[in-house]
Amino acid sequence: EAQVTQNPRYLITVTGKKLTVTCSQNMNHEYMSWYRQDPGLGLRQIYYSMNVEVTDKGDVPEGYKVSRKEKRNFPLILESPSPNQTSLYFCATITSGRGEQFFGPGTRLTVL
Amino acid sequence: DAKTTQPPSMDCAEGRAANLPCNHSTISGNEYVYWYRQIHSQGPQYIIHGLKNNETNEMASLIITEDRKSSTLILPHATLRDTAVYYCIVGNYGQNFVFGPGTRLSVLP
Repeated sequence: EAQVTQNPRYLITVTGKKLTVTCSQNMNHEYMSWYRQDPGLGLRQIYYSMNVEVTDKGDVPEGYKVSRKEKRNFPLILESPSPNQTSLYFCATITSGRGEQFFGPGTRLTVL
Repeated sequence: DAKTTQPPSMDCAEGRAANLPCNHSTISGNEYVYWYRQIHSQGPQYIIHGLKNNETNEMASLIITEDRKSSTLILPHATLRDTAVYYCIVGNYGQNFVFGPGTRLSVLP
């Protein structure tokens, strides 16, 4: 079954404690992306990757890092989380050509 | 800022067609119009996309005006399960996709 998986699904942490949210896809898609969703603001793109070792900033990259060492994985790294990064995070991939995005189930992060 | 403008909410009677408008007056020549929907806090679900021509699939129809400055998503026979937030996005292959607040569609029995 084609899917995008994220781990963890829920996380409560404290300010300054480094964390990583993993994203994995089994569709062999080249493009992957991270979004955050906050009430009233829709989804905003954090980073995206067009292929292995190629990453670019989206609209709200500050405070985040990503890496793309292999095609299937695209982890989101928060080196020093702050309360304003409390949000719902989605990972997504895109099919080549059609541009249809497949979204993961989301990770709800709370930073105290 | 989102490159699209949508009404914040709409109601539709079950079984009737739901017509969701979207304005994208600054769309570039190589940008597509995409529609997604999100039910509760699940990951958004792709519905349909188009460049210039009208498009139809098993879920919906997309009507794009000739000047490409606006479009309408049509759900031909809305059901209660179509209650969701619908997002209209313009972009090209996922670069700088901006999901605005969308339209909250309520399908009423």
